[in-house]
Order: sequence, then C-alpha cells, then structure tokens
Amino acid sequence: AQKITQTQPGMFVQEKEAVTLDCTYDTSDPSYGLFWYKQPSSGEMIFLIYQGSYDQQNATEGRYSLNFQKARKSANLVISASQLGDSAMYFCAMREASNTGNQFYFGTGTSLTVIP
Amino acid sequence: DTEVTQTPKHLVMGMTNKKSLKCEQHMGHRAMYWYKQKAKKPPELMFVYSYEKLSINESVPSRFSPECPNSSLLNLHLHALQPEDSALYLCASSQGPGLAGGQDYNEQFFGPGTRLTVL
Repeated sequence: AQKITQTQPGMFVQEKEAVTLDCTYDTSDPSYGLFWYKQPSSGEMIFLIYQGSYDQQNATEGRYSLNFQKARKSANLVISASQLGDSAMYFCAMREASNTGNQFYFGTGTSLTVIP
Repeated sequence: DTEVTQTPKHLVMGMTNKKSLKCEQHMGHRAMYWYKQKAKKPPELMFVYSYEKLSINESVPSRFSPECPNSSLLNLHLHALQPEDSALYLCASSQGPGLAGGQDYNEQFFGPGTRLTVL
C-alpha cells in the first residue's frame, strides 16, 4: 500500500483564491509527522508546514494551513489568497520512526498553476 | 544557519568518468540523506546516514557510493554511471534519527540539489 497518496496530479486556481491540495497517508506508527514541501522549477524543496500526530490543533503558517483529520488519515494543505509565485509542485510527506531511524515517504506530488 | 549546501549545482559527465557530489550542513543535524529525483516525480530515497553511519541503503547500484567523513559532510561518489542516472540529486538533513515512539519534529532541510547529466 502507498504510504502517501496525492490524487491530484494537477490543479489550477485563480489568483487571490484559496486552494486545497489533498493528501492521505497510511501508517500504523502512533508517532508520525506530516510535512508539505513546495518545489518550484528551480528544483529546491522548500518546507512549508508540519503537523505532528499528537498535535491537537491544525498547523498554520502564514497563508498555509493543514487540515488534519486523523481518523480519516488525511492532511490536506490549504493555501489562501493564492499568488502567482505559488505555482510549483507540492509534495506531501510523512516521517515514521523505525529501529534504524526516521523514514521519510513522499507522495507523487500535485502541480499547482495559479492563473492571473 | 539553517542551510544545506550542495556542490556542484550542475554536473555533466561521461559514462567512464568518476565524480563526486558534496553536501554540507552546520545545523548540528545527525541524520543526512541522499535522494534522486527525476522530472515531475517525487524524490526517491537512496541512502541515510545516522550519526555518520550508513543506516539505510535502498538497493542502490554500486556505481553510487556514499561517504560521510564527519557529521557535517556527506559525499556521493559516482563512477561508471548510465544515461538513465541523469536526475536531480538532493541532499537533506534532519536533527537526528529520532526514537521510536518519540514525538520529535525532525523536519528535513533540503539543499538546492545537483542537476546531473550523464552522456
């Protein structure tokens, strides 16, 4: 089974509108972390937001918020007031702890295009 | 300093060449990672070093040889590569291996990557 599933290969959003990027995950580890990264065409992976499995509240970071629904194992990223510079690939990732250390799993990514 | 640096930014090499990719971080992180990423695909984990010891090797061909000389440096030695090895190679680091059952943040910080072309 896939550890991280992103079902939206591509998304379009009008500038200044909000957009939700979907992410579901699969783990039996009670302690895990969920991350979202942005990767512009330059290639650098930019960390956006983190949600710990024990966190009671949804994470927020500026225009980014994470809609964490633990029972449904989903961790959707919400970008409010989209900007042209938000056009990029977005990856959802999960960290699990194992005997050999942290394991990180990435989803297949969503390509977001912001339309002026 | 919350930066991971990678050199070179771009590398073109022939199939008979030997080259090395370098990665450096000064955040005191004890886990370092090499990923390979093809265009429009997610990063694929290649190697993980925890406390300067190789802890994970994801069945990577022997033409890729990692080395961790100290806690701040991570190298990837390349020899006899194939054209299909052309990709973006990303280095990352995180605070530590983490403890099973422990709740730690352990974000991965990524470097800017090396774009490798094998002719």
